[in-house]
Amino acid sequence: DAGVTQSPTHLIKTRGQHVTLRCSPISGHKSVSWYQQVLGQGPQFIFQYYEKEERGRGNFPDRFSARQFPNYSSELNVNALLLGDSALYLCASSLAGGSGNTIYFGEGSWLTVV
Amino acid sequence: QQQVKQSPQSLIVQKGGISIINCAYENTAFDYFPWYQQFPGKGPALLIAIRPDVSEKKEGRFTISFNKSAKQFSLHIMDSQPGDSATYFCAARISGTYKYIFGTGTRLKVLA
Repeated sequence: DAGVTQSPTHLIKTRGQHVTLRCSPISGHKSVSWYQQVLGQGPQFIFQYYEKEERGRGNFPDRFSARQFPNYSSELNVNALLLGDSALYLCASSLAGGSGNTIYFGEGSWLTVV
Repeated sequence: QQQVKQSPQSLIVQKGGISIINCAYENTAFDYFPWYQQFPGKGPALLIAIRPDVSEKKEGRFTISFNKSAKQFSLHIMDSQPGDSATYFCAARISGTYKYIFGTGTRLKVLA
């Protein structure tokens, strides 16, 4: 079975631009979370979506937004990119939206802002 | 503040030795404690996890020890192998949510 798939794997953007990152969860998983991992640090929670509704938001500015589609895939959007947004963006999926299941990460999307 | 403190930052172990990584938390509103293994350029992979009502969980060479009263938990890797060389993250899930707080990571190197 395929795991969590993310695209693109690497991308370079210029300050002020916009970026869209995509994620497909493990088959059968209905919840998707997004994390930001800066080099040398642990992942930081950005959003969680379940059944197309936002169920949690971390301490990130409004430039960050996300959505979940009927097929449970998800997009993370970041507007007005800053140099500090350079990081590995991880998508994680879980079976349900409640508190009973573990999250499984994809390989991530490496974003470099220049 | 919800934090998970992880130590050591880096660890070097001889092949066949025991690797021990420790984590501590302050907030008691955590209900699930997984450990993740991350290789360079890859996403974190779930290694083993424990709930706070269990004091120890073992899966193969990996063991989690959990001390609820001390608010500490640790990962033991027995018979460490060069292939175990990676960065390890502990995490704690905020009760009733899918929000995980991660430690800062431990870079493990196992010498052949």
